[in-house]
Amino acid sequence: QSVLTQPPSASGTPGQRVAISCSGSSSNLGSNIVNWYQQLPGTAPKLLIYSNNQRPSGVPDRFSGSKSGTSASLAISGLQSEDEADYYCAAWDDSLNGVVFGGGTKLTVL
Amino acid sequence: QVQLQESGPGLVKPSETLSLTCNVSGGSISSFYWSWIRQPPGKGLEWIGDIYYLGSTNYKSSLKSRVTISVDTSKNQFSLKLSSVTAADTALYYCARKIYYYSGMDVWGQGTTVTVSS
Repeated sequence: QSVLTQPPSASGTPGQRVAISCSGSSSNLGSNIVNWYQQLPGTAPKLLIYSNNQRPSGVPDRFSGSKSGTSASLAISGLQSEDEADYYCAAWDDSLNGVVFGGGTKLTVL
Repeated sequence: QVQLQESGPGLVKPSETLSLTCNVSGGSISSFYWSWIRQPPGKGLEWIGDIYYLGSTNYKSSLKSRVTISVDTSKNQFSLKLSSVTAADTALYYCARKIYYYSGMDVWGQGTTVTVSS
């Protein structure tokens, strides 16, 4: 049971917009930034969004993040086949004094 | 460009200690936080702990009694020791870098598989 809650799966067709939610509590999302990771099959995770809504250099602007209260969301617009991956949200938890991850969302491009 | 490389035994016997090292190349280990994360087969990511380059640590509470993370700035590397391992510790182990304790992990190693089996 992950501290941050994500839907186990999401899907969309090429060109569509999909959103992946991440729900937490006052000790994590409610008081700290959220970061999102993309894990392509067979590869290490990659930082996709940091500080709620910032994209590292090289990440397409099709990817965007937002946070409100104890919930966060990752949106992918103009869905492409290469976006098929597992996506994880993560945040520092002040009560646990550590990093907590969501359980991950497997995105399928139909 | 900073690169991380995990190394260590791929097979550990139950009840023994898992030991991994992460070598940092292309940049200094100073001024950053360094993390260990693992991923059991077919499952999600689990944070194990962090160390600041000066030596302060944070560990996942459920693993705290078995985990030690250390840093060797002279060798530009940091290490993970996990004692009394069981089959539940079988996973792909990653090392990663953070700029602040709460920030995202912006550089990752490729990961190393550790199997706990007799």
